Amino acid sequence: AQKVTQAQTEISVVEKEDVTLDCVYETRDTTYYLFWYKQPPSGELVFLIRRNSFDEQNEISGRYSWNFQKSTSSFNFTITASQVVDSAVYFCALSGSSNTGKLIFGQGTTLQVKP
Amino acid sequence: EPEVTQTPSHQVTQMGQEVILRCVPISNHLYFYWYRQILGQKVEFLVSFYNNEISEKSEIFDDQFSVERPDGSNFTLKIRSTKLEDSAMYFCASFRRVGTDTQYFGPGTRLTVL
Repeated sequence: AQKVTQAQTEISVVEKEDVTLDCVYETRDTTYYLFWYKQPPSGELVFLIRRNSFDEQNEISGRYSWNFQKSTSSFNFTITASQVVDSAVYFCALSGSSNTGKLIFGQGTTLQVKP
Repeated sequence: EPEVTQTPSHQVTQMGQEVILRCVPISNHLYFYWYRQILGQKVEFLVSFYNNEISEKSEIFDDQFSVERPDGSNFTLKIRSTKLEDSAMYFCASFRRVGTDTQYFGPGTRLTVL
């Protein structure tokens, strides 16, 4: 069975702090894809990143960075110098090669960035 | 940039009524999905659709639900007899090719069942 766990339900930080959102996944597939989506208060799901299981290189995009470690089945997301606009719910998701492309989502982490 | 669109943005209905939620996926995409998010909870997979048929469905997707791609552009989710617990945000999503592409989500339809 496939599963995504985001153990942090809520995180509160002060602006300009760095914050890391944890994501741990379970899958028996050797090929799979990991995603992060942002859900701002307006409710839409905004795509942030997709990684495949063969690419363990860390990625940086502006203030965002992702650390993918197959050895610990984790795909953590770090926001550097957080801003109030980063306040949102962040979802980690998994798609395995053996299924129809459906995404299995974690419970989400609510990030509140205070001024 | 192409996007997935959904209508209506908000639907209010009485328990027992039928509702149809509409989605227009990105035009060259081949894989279509519906997801549900009950307020404050995670996003849950409902159904996937490929080559004009359901390819996978979850336990949530019971006989009250159906999907259709009636005209090659629209992708609809019908709930035949709504229940209070169907109140949720419903997201449509599409892929061009599974795995090698990003799954794009529509803005969602908020369904409120009274």
